[in-house]
Amino acid sequence: DAMVIQNPRYQVTQFGKPVTLSCSQTLNHNVMYWYQQKSSQAPKLLFHYYDKDFNNEADTPDNFQSRRPNTSFCFLDIRSPGLGDAAMYLCATSGGRNQETQYFGPGTRLLVL
Amino acid sequence: DQQVKQNSPSLSVQEGRISILNCDYTNSMFDYFLWYKKYPAEGPTFLISISSIKDKNEDGRFTVFLIKSAKHLSLHIVPSQPGDSAVYFCAASGGSQGNLIFGKGTKLSVKP
Repeated sequence: DAMVIQNPRYQVTQFGKPVTLSCSQTLNHNVMYWYQQKSSQAPKLLFHYYDKDFNNEADTPDNFQSRRPNTSFCFLDIRSPGLGDAAMYLCATSGGRNQETQYFGPGTRLLVL
Repeated sequence: DQQVKQNSPSLSVQEGRISILNCDYTNSMFDYFLWYKKYPAEGPTFLISISSIKDKNEDGRFTVFLIKSAKHLSLHIVPSQPGDSAVYFCAASGGSQGNLIFGKGTKLSVKP
């Protein structure tokens, strides 16, 4: 089945220790997104790639970076995680005939100690 | 400054009855609306969508209604089933490259 995969599902890191979350997709979609979702809040877009073009949201902290080495993979790097970065991180893709519908992975729950 | 609002944080419905989830938006540039369903510890699952050129879209037990004049949309689930218990997010797009703006979600509980 075509899908969006996120690893790991749960990630524990220490305050200030860099961490990388990964996302892969078998949908062959050209757009990949990273969202942050905190408890009882709406998912918040951090950035997205349209093919290789990186688009950063204006209010995304510099602490968050992303890489997309190829169509299938996208990484979220948090350079110096703070306690406030503990959240669910969602990867999504869109593409094909319907570019407007995004398909989400299961998310990675990040805990910062 | 929320552009997409779901004013009811929770809704409880009896099995077999209709569930109506509401969503309001403020940005008249939005032209595509989606509903997602989310179970705990999982990512949102796409449920149904509607373009602004339509006022209704139906898929099985799920129907989305759009009232552009009121900047309002609703999701109807009929009949409701216990497996429908989840958090439902309304989302809208209309900006560049289809970026989605989400509401905060409504938690639906369907009681047997």
